[in-house]
Amino acid sequence: SAVISQKPSRDICQRGTSLTIQCQVDSQVTMMFWYRQQPGQSLTLIATANQGSEATYESGFVIDKFPISRPNLTFSTLTVSNMSPEDSSIYLCSVELAGQKETQYFGPGTRLLVL
Amino acid sequence: EDKVVQSPLSLVVHEGDTVTLNCSYEVTNFRSLLWYKQEKKAPTFLFMLTSSGIEKKSGRLSSILDKKELFSILNITATQTGDSAIYLCAVEGAGSYQLTFGKGTKLSVIP
Repeated sequence: SAVISQKPSRDICQRGTSLTIQCQVDSQVTMMFWYRQQPGQSLTLIATANQGSEATYESGFVIDKFPISRPNLTFSTLTVSNMSPEDSSIYLCSVELAGQKETQYFGPGTRLLVL
Repeated sequence: EDKVVQSPLSLVVHEGDTVTLNCSYEVTNFRSLLWYKQEKKAPTFLFMLTSSGIEKKSGRLSSILDKKELFSILNITATQTGDSAIYLCAVEGAGSYQLTFGKGTKLSVIP
């Protein structure tokens, strides 16, 4: 299994500002993903974080709004840019481990409230 | 530290069988329990449970929460091959504002 930590665990931000969320894993992983969980809704995949190259974004999500970095195999960041109240959500990082393609491990999430 | 334990970890059944998936938890200041079905990358939300003893139902799937005994079950009746997936349980704590996921139950339904 993997131990995944996210920082910050929660934040309250003003409209128009940006927040960067960090995801750190204690083992080398093949895939890293960023999700958003809005109240009462499905987990929504934002993007796949690719090491050393641009992230792969899902429909409805763009790099200008959600820039992602993944400088190495165990660390990634997601920035929520120019925030609005609609961005209030839990943001989750998840990983796939080598040899465990069907299993995703989720981080604890970052709860964001935008005023 | 919040904790979610799902059982069994994997299960193989025949079409038409009924299955019960279990999720037990320890969480500080419980807010809600969520069930997801994961077939591809993004899990699909099934249920959110906040109150004990109230069954939530959607077609052949149903779920109930016991806040006294700290567990939830997910029932699937008349299983179909399309039910084959990993079923994830997650708990949200009001104090931590975070989601804690279980490891999932891998369900395989064979014809």
